[in-house]
Amino acid sequence: NAGVTQTPKFRILKIGQSMTLQCAQDMNHNYMYWYRQDPGMGLKLIYYSVGAGITDKGEVPNGYNVSRSTTEYFPLRLELAAPSQTSVYFCASSTRRQDSDYGYTFGSGTRLTVV
Amino acid sequence: AQKITQTQPGMFVQEKEAVTLDCTYDTSDQSYGLFWYKQPSSGEMIFLIYQGSYDEQNATEGRYSLNFQKARKSANLVISASQLGDSAMYFCAMRAEHIFNDYKLSFGAGTTVTVRA
Repeated sequence: NAGVTQTPKFRILKIGQSMTLQCAQDMNHNYMYWYRQDPGMGLKLIYYSVGAGITDKGEVPNGYNVSRSTTEYFPLRLELAAPSQTSVYFCASSTRRQDSDYGYTFGSGTRLTVV
Repeated sequence: AQKITQTQPGMFVQEKEAVTLDCTYDTSDQSYGLFWYKQPSSGEMIFLIYQGSYDEQNATEGRYSLNFQKARKSANLVISASQLGDSAMYFCAMRAEHIFNDYKLSFGAGTTVTVRA
């Protein structure tokens, strides 16, 4: 059971470049989320999805785009990278089941630096 | 909208002593869940404990207990018998819980705990 897999783990981008952060889950979770965590801070929601084909903005969506064509994949697209997007990005998935972690699984994170 | 406040940016605790991490929240939802996560220096998010808003008893998980005071909108985490491995950042989080909810979590800013030998 792989859980939530994020790639890459680390990436350095130049200002103005674009990239896609990949997120995949194999638990058949309906809900998926992208968070960013700035140094020494809490996680802030960028985008989320309640099912394939349905996405919505979170707290800090500017500069990002998402798509959810299947239940398993929820990629996050950065267009025209800016230094303010330097952060650690976490993908997470959840379910309404009340199992041991109350349904949440986090990926291991992608550390992105924009220079 | 939900808001989580953690007012302690950093704390030091002596090994084997207990430590209380403060968390207050604001929400208009009647049904909600409160979470605590641990984030060690390696960066992963580790689930510690959950409290439902309708749970009458405070949640406990091993050395972790949640002091839930609904009227005061507080959900403090108590770590008993601190260990060196408890040194980490701790986040309080909450989600609304109703049938049409999207279950997204809102996080506080976190508290860094350093355990001294």
